[in-house]
Amino acid sequence: EVQLVESGGGLVQPGGSLRLSCAASGFTFSSYWMQWVRQVPGKGLVWVSRINSDGSSTSYVDSVKGRFTISRDNAKNTLYLQMNSLRAEDTAVYYCARESDSSGYYSDYWGQGTLVTVSS
Amino acid sequence: DIVMTQSPDSLAVSLGERATITCKSSQSLLYSSNNKNYLAWYQQKPGQPPKLLIYWASARESGVPDRFSGSGSGTDFTLTISSLQAEDVAVYYCQQYYSIPITFGQGTRLEIK
Repeated sequence: EVQLVESGGGLVQPGGSLRLSCAASGFTFSSYWMQWVRQVPGKGLVWVSRINSDGSSTSYVDSVKGRFTISRDNAKNTLYLQMNSLRAEDTAVYYCARESDSSGYYSDYWGQGTLVTVSS
Repeated sequence: DIVMTQSPDSLAVSLGERATITCKSSQSLLYSSNNKNYLAWYQQKPGQPPKLLIYWASARESGVPDRFSGSGSGTDFTLTISSLQAEDVAVYYCQQYYSIPITFGQGTRLEIK
């Protein structure tokens, strides 16, 4: 069974940093591209970032470029999102998601999410 | 960036009736080299992550009931629930994966009338 379990969320002050983790199991993690998607509670979904299977290629939405870094450790079956210079508008539930292996960027499995709150 | 616009924002349908949600993209999602539309639909219930329903605009994900269907091509797409069940109450999102950044529609809230 595919499982994605996010952790690392919490309360952080504006300008602070946080690292999210996503532990993957039930599939060959090193074969799949992965994504982070966020959602302000009660609002819509916003794609944040994606990374290829070996970690050599990454993409970001403009609003987080230069502040967030996606990475992965295939030996630990874990996806990461390093978030620096956090702003109030980064407050959201952050989901990790597995991209389908069908050459499309859609996500076939999602974690339960971890809440990040940026506030003083 | 490709803008995805769903309509309506909310919808109330009687049990057993048809529900239709539309999604329009600001540019074509049809990739000519493979004749595929890079459009997916997701269902999100309260307190849960999104669940993939439809990909390539009309391909149903494994395990999704056949009352859910997707159609359309180019810039205009539709998600149809043929006979609404109580468990279909949720917010539905379309998503384009034709180009980065991947973008979602604003969501359509589906309720029981």
